[in-house]
Amino acid sequence: EIVLTQSPGTLSLSPGERATLFCKTSQSVTSSYVAWYQQKPGQAPRLLIYGASTRATDIPDRFSGSGSGTDFTLTISRLEPEDFALYYCQQFGRSSWTFGQGTKVEMK
Amino acid sequence: QITLKESGPTLVKPTQTLTLTCTFSGFSLTTTGMGVGWIRQPPGKALDWLALIYWNDDKSYGPSLQSKATITKDTSKNQVVLTITNMGPVDTATYFCVHISTRGKTWPHFDYWGQGTLVSVSS
Repeated sequence: EIVLTQSPGTLSLSPGERATLFCKTSQSVTSSYVAWYQQKPGQAPRLLIYGASTRATDIPDRFSGSGSGTDFTLTISRLEPEDFALYYCQQFGRSSWTFGQGTKVEMK
Repeated sequence: QITLKESGPTLVKPTQTLTLTCTFSGFSLTTTGMGVGWIRQPPGKALDWLALIYWNDDKSYGPSLQSKATITKDTSKNQVVLTITNMGPVDTATYFCVHISTRGKTWPHFDYWGQGTLVSVSS
């Protein structure tokens, strides 16, 4: 099973600041099979980025994804109040899906 | 518009069997490429993919439940059922139903989610 390790565990930032979230996989994965989700308290996760770098429908362009091999990044260029949430990376491989443990972006 | 909704008991006793139903609309599980899966999230913890069933009845299961889980579909009712045997306290979680399409641009990711249902395991 491929393990995804997200860092940092918590990111304390102010609105308007840039957020950079990392996801490292235990072995090289296909970039097309890496995604990021956003989850707000009491809600289901929402697909943000798929194929490592493509924004899902209606996702604002302040969200961007990048990476390849074992290292992937989600960047929020300028944090809006509604962006403070939990973020999970996910990969698919060998007919199985695995998630990272999450990064919480909290307001400083 | 695709929607999914989970239903089932909110409380089960240890060793009991849990049966959860996902009722969906906006697509059919008879359409090539469609799939419905289950993901759970223990309180304060990460997401854990459990199982998935495709339009052609292919099924796959995550490692955490091993042989405890069974996923089935009823295309006439637009429902997918997840059964988990021998429930224990570690199975306490919010269970989400999700949609996937092998022919969609977002493959292989979960593009629609149900609201989730919290299941507690306690005597």
